[in-house]
Amino acid sequence: DAGVTQSPTHLIKTRGQHVTLRCSPISGHKSVSWYQQVLGQGPQFIFQYYEKEERGRGNFPDRFSARQFPNYSSELNVNALLLGDSALYLCASSLVGARGYTFGSGTRLTVV
Amino acid sequence: GDSVTQMEGPVTLSEEAFLTINCTYTATGYPSLFWYVQYPGEGLQLLLKATKADDKGSNKGFEATYRKETTSFHLEKGSVQVSDSAVYFCACLIQGAQKLVFGQGTRLTINP
Repeated sequence: DAGVTQSPTHLIKTRGQHVTLRCSPISGHKSVSWYQQVLGQGPQFIFQYYEKEERGRGNFPDRFSARQFPNYSSELNVNALLLGDSALYLCASSLVGARGYTFGSGTRLTVV
Repeated sequence: GDSVTQMEGPVTLSEEAFLTINCTYTATGYPSLFWYVQYPGEGLQLLLKATKADDKGSNKGFEATYRKETTSFHLEKGSVQVSDSAVYFCACLIQGAQKLVFGQGTRLTINP
């Protein structure tokens, strides 16, 4: 069975640009969450989506947005990139009501 | 607010040594508790979890017990191996919010 898949694995963007990161959850998982992990720190919660609706949002600016599609895949969008947005972006999926998440390998974003 | 505090690293041990990584949490209600492991260049892998007080999670020789009276979930292993070298994250799942709150991570290096 495929795990949580994220794309791309790496990318480099310039300050001010926009980026879209993609995530496909494990088959049957309807909940998708996004986390930002800055180098040397623990992951920070950005969003949770379930049934295409935002169910939770962390303390991130409005430049960060996300959506979930009917097949439960998800996109994370970041506008007006800043150097501080450089991080590993992790996607996690879960069954509804489950007490645990499965993480993808992440997308490493570098803003120059 | 909700938070997780981990023993600061890095931690360096010799092979077959005993390992303890301390973790305490602050959260309302009855969160579920987790240990995740991250190998270089990879995402997070669930190591073990506990969902209620006095539960013991275990996997691959690692153990942790959910202690509500001390709000702790310390990770232990009786005899570490070189392959255990990684970064370990303690996390709690906040009830209702369905978000994971992570500690800052502890880098573990095992020398042969």
